[in-house]
Amino acid sequence: NAGVTQTPKFRVLKTGQSMTLLCAQDMNHEYMYWYRQDPGMGLRLIHYSVGEGTTAKGEVPDGYNVSRLKKQNFLLGLESAAPSQTSVYFCASKLTSGSSYEQYFGPGTRLTVT
Amino acid sequence: AQSVTQLGSHVSVSEGALVLLRCNYSSSVPPYLFWYVQYPNQGLQLLLKYTSAATLVKGINGFEAEFKKSETSFHLTKPSAHMSDAAEYFCAVSDHGAGYSTLTFGKGTMLLVSP
Repeated sequence: NAGVTQTPKFRVLKTGQSMTLLCAQDMNHEYMYWYRQDPGMGLRLIHYSVGEGTTAKGEVPDGYNVSRLKKQNFLLGLESAAPSQTSVYFCASKLTSGSSYEQYFGPGTRLTVT
Repeated sequence: AQSVTQLGSHVSVSEGALVLLRCNYSSSVPPYLFWYVQYPNQGLQLLLKYTSAATLVKGINGFEAEFKKSETSFHLTKPSAHMSDAAEYFCAVSDHGAGYSTLTFGKGTMLLVSP
């Protein structure tokens, strides 16, 4: 199993440009999450999904949109990038049932907006 | 709503010394608690978790944590630090009471290990 993968690993955008980050998992997990990590702020939840076709807002959703058209994929979109969105983005996934409540994380995408 | 406070953004220890990273939480439901480790330029890896079973939880790489309800704490310890333990550590609490599950993370503690 590849686990959780993220594409791309690095990206530089100009202010106002748009892009989509792709998260894929091959563990048949129901739940998927997008976080951003900024120095001294820990990880903050942007959006999450509890199943195919469903999404919900997290702590810091403004400026981002998401879609979960397939169970294994969770896309994070930036329609008009701003310098404040410079960050490292992490995707995670989790099973719904059983005794494990662990989230499994991808390797991250480092985004710079100039 | 739940929250996590990690005391100390940086902790420095000598190799072979005790590691103690502090985590206090607040939660409106019985908490599930986690410690994750992040090595440079990598994602997060689970060290250990508390999900209402034994209050002393053992994890990978010799780490353990004790859930203390009266102190609302879940401190991470390791008897003897190794150079390879140098990383950032995150404590997290799960909001599982509403039928779904999200994690709230602390701001992280960077562990520095000197020879």
